[in-house]
Amino acid sequence: EAQVTQNPRYLITVTGKKLTVTCSQNMNHEYMSWYRQDPGLGLRQIYYSMNVEVTDKGDVPEGYKVSRKEKRNFPLILESPSPNQTSLYFCASSVGFAGTEAFFGQGTRLTVV
Amino acid sequence: LAKTTQPISMDSYEGQEVNITCSHNNIATNDYITWYQQFPSQGPRFIIQGYKTKVTNEVASLFIPADRKSSTLSLPRVSLSDTAVYYCLVALSYNTDKLIFGTGTRLQVFP
Repeated sequence: EAQVTQNPRYLITVTGKKLTVTCSQNMNHEYMSWYRQDPGLGLRQIYYSMNVEVTDKGDVPEGYKVSRKEKRNFPLILESPSPNQTSLYFCASSVGFAGTEAFFGQGTRLTVV
Repeated sequence: LAKTTQPISMDSYEGQEVNITCSHNNIATNDYITWYQQFPSQGPRFIIQGYKTKVTNEVASLFIPADRKSSTLSLPRVSLSDTAVYYCLVALSYNTDKLIFGTGTRLQVFP
């Protein structure tokens, strides 16, 4: 089954404690991206990757890092989480450029206290 | 950047046809129009994509007039399970690296 898998689904952490949210897709997609969703602000792109070792900033990259060492994986790293990073995060992948059909993960609800 | 404008919310009843219109006045020549559906606390799900005229799949139809400045997502005979937020997106031809989601249209289907 084609899918994008994120882990964990829920996470509560404390300010400053580094964390990683993993994302893996089994569709051999080249394009992957991360979004955060906040009430009233909709979905905003954090980072994206066009292929292995190719990443770039989206609209709200501050406080986040990503890496793309393998085609299937695109982890989101919060080096020093802060409460304003409390949000619902989604990973997405698509076969080509962003305008093609994107597959989204089930989401990670992060709370930073 | 091609911005989209949709109604904030719509109400319907089961069995009715629902049409959600999206305005995208600044759409570029090579842009495609894509619609996504999102249920609470779930990731968006691709519904349909089109460039011009009409596209139909097993879930919905997408109508795009000749000037492409707007599009209409048509959901035939909605059910309670169609209650969701629907997003209209325009793929940027000169910067196809991101999907820009607006606030979407919250569709509420009543029994």
